[in-house]
Amino acid sequence: GENVEQHPSTLSVQEGDSAVIKCTYSDSASNYFPWYKQELGKRPQLIIDIRSNVGEKKDQRIAVTLNKTAKHFSLHITETQPEDSAVYFCAASSGTASKLTFGTGTRLQVTL
Amino acid sequence: DVKVTQSSRYLVKRTGEKVFLECVQDMDHENMFWYRQDPGLGLRLIYFSYDVKMKEKGDIPEGYSVSREKKERFSLILESASTNQTSMYLCASSLTGGIFGYTFGSGTRLTVV
Repeated sequence: GENVEQHPSTLSVQEGDSAVIKCTYSDSASNYFPWYKQELGKRPQLIIDIRSNVGEKKDQRIAVTLNKTAKHFSLHITETQPEDSAVYFCAASSGTASKLTFGTGTRLQVTL
Repeated sequence: DVKVTQSSRYLVKRTGEKVFLECVQDMDHENMFWYRQDPGLGLRLIYFSYDVKMKEKGDIPEGYSVSREKKERFSLILESASTNQTSMYLCASSLTGGIFGYTFGSGTRLTVV
């Protein structure tokens, strides 16, 4: 089955700096890669996703890049703000299964 | 505008008890999922369902079963709770017919003593 690895497990940045979280996946058939943000005590929420026919996608301060050859994808957050502090999960889904395999999460802390 | 509802936010159960965790969605989604979330391990899939009365094992089904008698409801059952099942349990749902992201419930934190 699919295996998703995520790094780093914790990340501390100063407000205004950029943050990058990286994930690799094992199943070359995977074709959907969402990112979820989970604030303390709350449910994970989808913040951005990318499909395998696209190399990059942006939404304001958030961008995701995908390298299918290398089987890795990354989340980029620019101009970080304190409200970006949360745990971020990457995930991958293959074929018709619709089920997602998640990474182990990255705790991002944005300091003032 | 809560769309995926888990019946309990916190539960404390005794070892050996049979435990039911309920999840209801009002978005007419075909797919429903149960994950457990543990620190350092991320979200791991226990069971999922594509349709009423259909179920598939995920990555860690041992010690669990599920029931889906109605489209909107997906129940997770711990047949005989053990302390290693102490965890946060998250339900999610999604559309079928393509590739869609999940909508998660708020989670049930289960403690088995």
